[in-house]
Amino acid sequence: KQEVTQIPAALSVPEGENLVLNCSFTDSAIYNLQWFRQDPGKGLTSLLLIQSSQREQTSGRLNASLDKSSGRSTLYIAASQPGDSATYLCAVSPGGYNKLIFGAGTRLAVHP
Amino acid sequence: ETGVTQSPTHLIKTRGQQVTLRCSSQSGHNTVSWYQQALGQGPQFIFQYYREEENGRGNFPPRFSGLQFPNYSSELNVNALELDDSALYLCASSRGGSEADTQYFGPGTRLTVL
Repeated sequence: KQEVTQIPAALSVPEGENLVLNCSFTDSAIYNLQWFRQDPGKGLTSLLLIQSSQREQTSGRLNASLDKSSGRSTLYIAASQPGDSATYLCAVSPGGYNKLIFGAGTRLAVHP
Repeated sequence: ETGVTQSPTHLIKTRGQQVTLRCSSQSGHNTVSWYQQALGQGPQFIFQYYREEENGRGNFPPRFSGLQFPNYSSELNVNALELDDSALYLCASSRGGSEADTQYFGPGTRLTVL
């Protein structure tokens, strides 16, 4: 059974720091991995999607890497800003059909 | 292009009641997936509908049921509500039911069961 774990559960940093959020999964047979952002009480916004054949994806200040063999992904946020404060969720698609398995998220607070 | 919409935004019910949540998929999408997100947890997959047929189901009891209509909008029905059903219910639409199709999420419906 696929399980997704995110570490740390919460993180509080001053503005300007570079951050690394971690995601691990137990079954390496995944189709893709996505990182989402969720603001309090809101829906999910997709940030980056990495196909299983890829190693990383970049969008602006965000960079996500994937090591499928070790069951790990990291989300790197450069030069953090207060507007980055949100919960970041990692999800894997196990393949077969279109469902996502999520971790519990990392709650990020960036203070001025 | 209209995004995924959900109604209502918030809902309060009592134990034992029944509830229906609604989701309108994004234009051009024929697949809707439903997720339950308890407070402080990640979303959990409930089920998926592809072209009006159930296309997969997570570990939820039969009192969670759904429908998809010819216009690909969808309903989630929950019978005999329990306190643990209190959660944010998210729907996501996609162009198809395969793992290659990106899911786009709606804003969610917050259900509180008293």
